[in-house]
Amino acid sequence: KAGVTQTPRYLIKTRGQQVTLSCSPISGHRSVSWYQQTPGQGLQFLFEYFSETQRNKGNFPGRFSGRQFSNSRSEMNVSTLELGDSALYLCASSPLPGNYNEQFFGPGTRLTVL
Amino acid sequence: GQNIDQPTEMTATEGAIVQINCTYQTSGFNGLFWYQQHAGEAPTFLSYNVLDGLEEKGRFSSFLSRSKGYSYLLLKELQMKDSASYLCAVKYGAGSYQLTFGKGTKLSVIP
Repeated sequence: KAGVTQTPRYLIKTRGQQVTLSCSPISGHRSVSWYQQTPGQGLQFLFEYFSETQRNKGNFPGRFSGRQFSNSRSEMNVSTLELGDSALYLCASSPLPGNYNEQFFGPGTRLTVL
Repeated sequence: GQNIDQPTEMTATEGAIVQINCTYQTSGFNGLFWYQQHAGEAPTFLSYNVLDGLEEKGRFSSFLSRSKGYSYLLLKELQMKDSASYLCAVKYGAGSYQLTFGKGTKLSVIP
């Protein structure tokens, strides 16, 4: 069974631009969560999607948004990029929401904002 | 906020035992998870505790005391490949669909 895949793996953008990251969950997994990981703050929850609906949202500004498609694939978008948005963005999938015992992380997208 | 505290770094010798502690706020607690993350890689699930006591899984064990807001991850017979960051994460709220993570403990195993 293929794991969680994220594209692109690396991205360089400049301040003010916007970016879209993609996540394909494990086959059969319907819940997708997004996290931001930085050296200073660690791993922080962004949002979680299930059945194309955002079920939970972390404490991030409205510049961070996401969506989920009917095939459970998910995208997250960051608009008006700031230097502080440079981070590793991780996507994780699980069969159902809150099913963390069976949650698997993707390899992440490394975003650098210049 | 729901602070989760764990040591920033630890060093231990190959073959030894190391204990990584994690403390958290108890209000709304609904489960604790440990993850391992090698440098440049994604976190991988190690263990889950929701009741008090010790859960053993091979060389790794995890302990939970809900009343004290305390957990530890115990690694036995350390190997060089155990050098990694270990993340403690707590699920708050029965209907919550998010994990709150500590900042992780970077473990270095030396010969």
